[in-house]
Amino acid sequence: AQKITQTQPGMFVQEKEAVTLDCTYDTSDPSYGLFWYKQPSSGEMIFLIYQGSYDQQNATEGRYSLNFQKARKSANLVISASQLGDSAMYFCAMRENLNGGSQGNLIFGKGTKLSVKP
Amino acid sequence: DTGVSQDPRHKITKRGQNVTFRCDPISEHNRLYWYRQTLGQGPEFLTYFQNEAQLEKSRLLSDRFSAERPKGSFSTLEIQRTEQGDSAMYLCASSQTTQQFFGPGTRLTVL
Repeated sequence: AQKITQTQPGMFVQEKEAVTLDCTYDTSDPSYGLFWYKQPSSGEMIFLIYQGSYDQQNATEGRYSLNFQKARKSANLVISASQLGDSAMYFCAMRENLNGGSQGNLIFGKGTKLSVKP
Repeated sequence: DTGVSQDPRHKITKRGQNVTFRCDPISEHNRLYWYRQTLGQGPEFLTYFQNEAQLEKSRLLSDRFSAERPKGSFSTLEIQRTEQGDSAMYLCASSQTTQQFFGPGTRLTVL
């Protein structure tokens, strides 16, 4: 069965510093997709970044980058130059290959609460 | 360009009552998903539609839960005979490609 593990319940980072949020995954499918979402206290899930299993390079989106290590089955999120507005819950997710192909539902980890200190 | 919308944003009900939530996806998106999120957990998949067809419903939590998407546009999620354990955030998402766009959610409190 596919599974996402986030082992850091909470993280603190000083404003303007970089922070890495850990994510490991388990799947036997050769084709899969990994996502990171941000959930502020308002509750809405905001898409941050996507990495496909066959992508040769690590994904980047502005201050977000994904450190994809396929052999270790890890997909850590790196946030550079942290801002106060980055304080939120962060969820790692994997597309479940039920019968959805590239549009399958997502399996989420338990999340990491990031707090940015001024 | 409007995103995914959900109504109501908050619902308080008494145990045993029926509730219905609505989700309006992004207009050109053919797939619509429902998730449930309880406190301290990540979202948990419930069901999804491709256009008006419900392609997966085995993950609905019990036979008290049902969902529809008439005409392949908006969707409703109904919970019959609510229980206190149904208290959670119910999230809707839609997609046209790989990325799923989430709505703001409906927070249900069952007293």
